[in-house]
Amino acid sequence: DIQMTQSPSSLSASVGDRVTITCRASQGIRNDLGWYQQKPGKAPKRLIYGASNLQSGVPSRFSGSGSGTEFTLTISSLQPEDFATYFCLQHNSYPRTFGQGTKVEMK
Amino acid sequence: QVQLVQSGSELKNPGASVKVSCKASGYTFTTHAIHWMRQAPGQGLEWMGWINTNTGNPTYAQGFTGRFVFSLDTSVNTAYLQISSLKAEDSALYFCARVDLQLLLDYWGQGTLVAVSS
Repeated sequence: DIQMTQSPSSLSASVGDRVTITCRASQGIRNDLGWYQQKPGKAPKRLIYGASNLQSGVPSRFSGSGSGTEFTLTISSLQPEDFATYFCLQHNSYPRTFGQGTKVEMK
Repeated sequence: QVQLVQSGSELKNPGASVKVSCKASGYTFTTHAIHWMRQAPGQGLEWMGWINTNTGNPTYAQGFTGRFVFSLDTSVNTAYLQISSLKAEDSALYFCARVDLQLLLDYWGQGTLVAVSS
């Protein structure tokens, strides 16, 4: 199974901050990775697909990069509605595996 | 617009069964597979497997064989997750999600909380 190691597990940030979250895959997964935002009681929302493609309707302050084993989600200027949990998902092989999640909290 | 709407929270006794539904709308149900995930309290997401909505063929992840059954009713565009012989450790939030044409999950249900307690 491919292990997805996500870091950090949590971070504190302020509105306007630049935030970076990383996922590392235990083996190469090309660009077969998505990033999602999860808020309590709500359906997870896809932000990025194909490692770097912005989902339609998602603000451009979100961006993804990486290929192979190392991937990054960046929020260029954190907004109040961005305080949430973020996770990555690899779809290169079965079983699908998720990063453990990063909770972005208000400083 | 694409929507997946799951059934409401369930409180069950140990040993009972539960059936969670996932009703799809806004697209042709049989063209996108449905995947199921589990999220135990305070934990990350765990992939349970998927069901081919065209053939009805299910695939289960390791650890989700035997007591877990994926099924469909294509007449009402709904996928189901049934868990039998419930245990306390089955208490979790269960999500359905569909895949896009690149087989990456795109739209998710809102989750169904299953609590198992006597």
